Amino acid sequence: GQQLNQSPQSMFIQEGEDVSMNCTSSSIFNTWLWYKQEPGEGPVLLIALYKAGELTSNGRLTAQFGITRKDSFLNISASIPSDVGIYFCAGQPGTSGTYKYIFGTGTRLKVLA
Amino acid sequence: GAVVSQHPSRVICKSGTSVKIECRSLDFQATTMFWYRQFPKKSLMLMATSNEGSKATYEQGVEKDKFLINHASLTLSTLTVTSAHPEDSSFYICSAMSRGNYGYTFGSGTRLTVV
Repeated sequence: GQQLNQSPQSMFIQEGEDVSMNCTSSSIFNTWLWYKQEPGEGPVLLIALYKAGELTSNGRLTAQFGITRKDSFLNISASIPSDVGIYFCAGQPGTSGTYKYIFGTGTRLKVLA
Repeated sequence: GAVVSQHPSRVICKSGTSVKIECRSLDFQATTMFWYRQFPKKSLMLMATSNEGSKATYEQGVEKDKFLINHASLTLSTLTVTSAHPEDSSFYICSAMSRGNYGYTFGSGTRLTVV
């Protein structure tokens, strides 16, 4: 199935550092979602973006809907050990005509205390 | 907030048997539910879209006779893996969308192991 390009695939960072990850596509999307998944669990919604250019925060997390509607990024400020997990973007294609979302390939985050 | 309950969380079954996985929206009505499959260290792959009161829509390459989906009410969708084989072993996750399309709420997943 179709997937979004998400980068980086994985990253090790020191506690307290800021983290940035992004999703890109060759086609436009109507909605972008960012999820976090921990081992053995289902993904949990972090941030939802509905308009091009939208910038939304949720605590230490900030995400933006790219102005071209083909990308989105997620920033985590001052990372802490519990930020460990896999982060997925999900986009709703602009031409799908359905509420189906396509998921990114994931960014595996590891935080070193 | 919206809660989706998925059961069982883990199941081990013998080859050739069938396994049913339930996905319930606990505090909202889910007009549409989605079933995903996730391999280790991989992303979520959409298997099918389940609409209440109508047939499920399967993604390309997903065998509808092998993965039976029933969405009989606004709060329950079931996925039955029929005649399971070891290659069906995977993490299956459901998600539900409430009216208004405010993103998905995911269940906690079901780890299926076929021996």
